[in-house]
Parts: sequence; structure tokens; C-alpha cells
Amino acid sequence: KQEVTQIPAALSVPEGENLVLNCSFTDSAIYNLQWFRQDPGKGLTSLLLIQSSQREQTSGRLNASLDKSSGRSTLYIAASQPGDSATYLCAVRYNFNKFYFGSGTKLNVKP
Amino acid sequence: NAGVTQTPKFRILKIGQSMTLQCAQDMNHNYMYWYRQDPGMGLKLIYYSVGAGITDKGEVPNGYNVSRSTTEDFPLRLELAAPSQTSVYFCASTTTGGRGFTEAFFGQGTRLTVV
Repeated sequence: KQEVTQIPAALSVPEGENLVLNCSFTDSAIYNLQWFRQDPGKGLTSLLLIQSSQREQTSGRLNASLDKSSGRSTLYIAASQPGDSATYLCAVRYNFNKFYFGSGTKLNVKP
Repeated sequence: NAGVTQTPKFRILKIGQSMTLQCAQDMNHNYMYWYRQDPGMGLKLIYYSVGAGITDKGEVPNGYNVSRSTTEDFPLRLELAAPSQTSVYFCASTTTGGRGFTEAFFGQGTRLTVV
């Protein structure tokens, strides 16, 4: 059974810090991995998508890496801002377009 | 750019009532999904569809039904609402499967409370 785990469950940091969110998955036969942001009471906003053949993707202050062999992905946020406060979810896609989600990391960036 | 549209945004049901959650996408995506998200948890797949007329169960299908008569619409039906179905429901869509580029797009969610 595919399982996706995100650590830590919650994180509180002062503004300006660089931080790393972790996502691990049990089955390495992934097609791709997608990081989402979810604001309270809102839907999911796609941040980064990494194909199984890629090692990393970057968008602005965000960098996501993928290590299939070890079943891990990290989301690196540089120079964090209060506006980055949200829950971050990773979703792993296997065949037949099935996505499996972690339970998320709730990030609070303090001014 | 409508993307994935869900209605309603909020709903309160009494135990035993039924309702249909609507989902529509305008991106001509073949694959559509219904997920539920319980507090502090990730998303669990309820049902999915790979195209019009084709649906299949996900991880937690009990108590739900779906249909896919068109590419655009993928409604989720609750026949006999139970308190355990209190959750936030998300509809999503993606382009065709395979190992190529496939990004998931989500609706804004329907917050359902069963009392």
C-alpha cells in the first residue's frame, strides 16, 4: 500500500528563515510528485511538480527536490515571509493517475 | 479561467438525507477525482474517473456514488448521510495518464456537516 508521510506536522519560524519541509513515500515507482499549498478554508494551489526523471524544480523562493531511490522529497522555502503561512501538502502520483497525499505540514511564519 | 468549479461551498445535512455535490471542469481533462479531507489529515480518494462513462472506486468509497456522463461533469452523490461523512470534499482533474506531464487541478472544496 502506498503511504505518504510529511514531517514535521507543524512548524513555526521567525520571518526570514530558510526552511525545509519533508515528504517521504513507501513505493518508489512514482510517476511524479506535486507540492501544494492550502490556506485555511480554501482549496489546493499547485506550487511545484517534479517528474520522476527530474531531481528538482524551482519557482521563485521555492525549490523542490526528489530522490526516488530513498523515497523522499523536500520543499525548500528561502527567506520565509508571513504570507507563506499555510499548510503544505505533497501528493505522489502512481499509475492510473492515482494521487496519494501526505497529511501536510502546517507552517506559521512569525513577523 | 474557471478551472475546476465545485458547488455548493457549504452544506449542512441531517442524518439520512441525501445530496449531490457538483463538480465541473472546463479544461477538457479526461481524469477527474473526488477526495475528502478530514481535520488535520491528508486527502483520501473516494472515486475517480478516467473518462466519460468510466468510474472506479478509490480508498474510501463506501456511502458514496458517482457518475460521469460528460467529460466536464463529475457529481458525487451521498444517499444516506451519516456523521462520519462530515468533511471537506475536493474535486480535482488532470490530463490523460501515462508517464508524461500530469498536473492536478483542484476545486475550492465543499464543506459538509452532517448533524
